[in-house]
Amino acid sequence: SYELTQPPSVSVSPGQTATITCSGDYLGDKYACWYQQKPGQSPLLVIYQDNKRPSGIPERFSGSRSGNTATLTISGTQAMDEADYYCQARDSSTVVFGGGTKLTVL
Amino acid sequence: QVQLVQSGAEVKKPGASVKVSCKASGYTFSTYGFSWVRQAPGQGLEWMGWISAYSVNTKYAQKLQGRVTMTTDTSTSTTYMELRGLKSDDTAVYYCARDWSEVVPAASSPFDYWGQGTLVTVSS
Repeated sequence: SYELTQPPSVSVSPGQTATITCSGDYLGDKYACWYQQKPGQSPLLVIYQDNKRPSGIPERFSGSRSGNTATLTISGTQAMDEADYYCQARDSSTVVFGGGTKLTVL
Repeated sequence: QVQLVQSGAEVKKPGASVKVSCKASGYTFSTYGFSWVRQAPGQGLEWMGWISAYSVNTKYAQKLQGRVTMTTDTSTSTTYMELRGLKSDDTAVYYCARDWSEVVPAASSPFDYWGQGTLVTVSS
């Protein structure tokens, strides 16, 4: 089975830059998406096709991918960004999510 | 505005079936597919499968093959997910999500809108 690996947790101080990585052979030449999920809420798409932001997502969220690693970067992190973040990739047969990263803003 | 509204929470006994609905509004139903994703308590996201708007094409996660069926009803802009042979580890929140994959699954397609989730509890 395919796997995408994320760090279980990342901590950042308010105003600093948070970086969350997602790696795995499966990522290869596929696009990466990122979802934010706050407690008790549905996931929210924050990055798609590696580096595109949906309408309404703040500019402080950005994405990149290099080879088998995708990265979500949150610049000037705010308290409201504290959440779980999941990466995702897919092909014509399946969709794979990373295990999720809990971002703590302290 | 785009909305996906799911049916309410369910409690089922092991071996039973559950059917969750997801009614879409605010966009042209036929131009997007749907994916279903579940999340066990305290766990991550697990993709269950994808269906095209006209139910012509489906793709199911290998581990659920034979137990899950996804359908759509274009007359009511509703998609359904039925899971049979329920086990305790099927206890989860089930989400529908609008999928940019319209006719066939595409690597570039994200899930841009999600339903509010439906808690399915499997317990004897």
